[in-house]
Amino acid sequence: EAEVAQSPRYKITEKSQAVAFWCDPISGHATLYWYRQILGQGPELLVQFQDESVVDDSQLPKDRFSAERLKGVDSTLKIQPAELGDSAMYLCASSLGLAGGGEQFFGPGTRLTVL
Amino acid sequence: GIQVEQSPPDLILQEGANSTLRCNFSDSVNNLQWFHQNPWGQLINLFYIPSGTKQNGRLSATTVATERYSLLYISSSQTTDSGVYFCAGNSGGGADGLTFGKGTHLIIQP
Repeated sequence: EAEVAQSPRYKITEKSQAVAFWCDPISGHATLYWYRQILGQGPELLVQFQDESVVDDSQLPKDRFSAERLKGVDSTLKIQPAELGDSAMYLCASSLGLAGGGEQFFGPGTRLTVL
Repeated sequence: GIQVEQSPPDLILQEGANSTLRCNFSDSVNNLQWFHQNPWGQLINLFYIPSGTKQNGRLSATTVATERYSLLYISSSQTTDSGVYFCAGNSGGGADGLTFGKGTHLIIQP
C-alpha cells in the first residue's frame, strides 16, 4: 500500500543548531503539506506545495524555517536555528491535488526535541 | 479560514459501549476528514466525508454540510479504539491545508 515516508522518525538537537526533515509523498500526489503538532493540540499547517511551487506559507516562521520541493516530488523542511519552542511533531501529508483538495494522507511524522 | 470545534474533549467508556463524537465547522467545507491518532503519533485516515454518510465496520460517519457539522459513531467499542480522534476540514480553493479541531481523547476501559 502506498504511504507517505518521513525521516528521521526522532530528532534530538540543542537550541541554535540546524535540523532538517525529509518527506517523500505518495507516488503521483502533486500536493504536499507540512504540518506542526504541539503536544495536546491538533496539527497546524506550515506550508503547502503544488508540484514544486509554494501555494501557502502564510504560517511558516520564515525567519528560521525554510521548505523546498525542488523537483516536485520529495521535500525538505529546515529549521535554523532551532529554539526550545520548536519541540513538536512535524507531519508531512500529500494528496492528489484535485479541485477542492482531495483526501490527505499523512506520514508517521518526525518528533523533534530541542534541548 | 474555517474554525473547527470538537466535542466532547474527553470521553471515558466501558468496552462494548457506543459513542458519538461531534465536529462543528464555522463555514462550508469542501473537504472533511476524520482521523485516529495512534500512540506513536501517526494520523490514520478514518473517513473522507464532505457530505453524506459512510460506514466502515464498527465505525460510521455522517456530515450534514448545510448545518455545518459531522458526527463519528463508534459501536461496540474495543480497548484498541482508545486514542485521540481529530476532525479536520478546508474550504477548498488553491490553498487547502486542513484546519484541525482540538480532538476528542477517547479512553475505552476493559
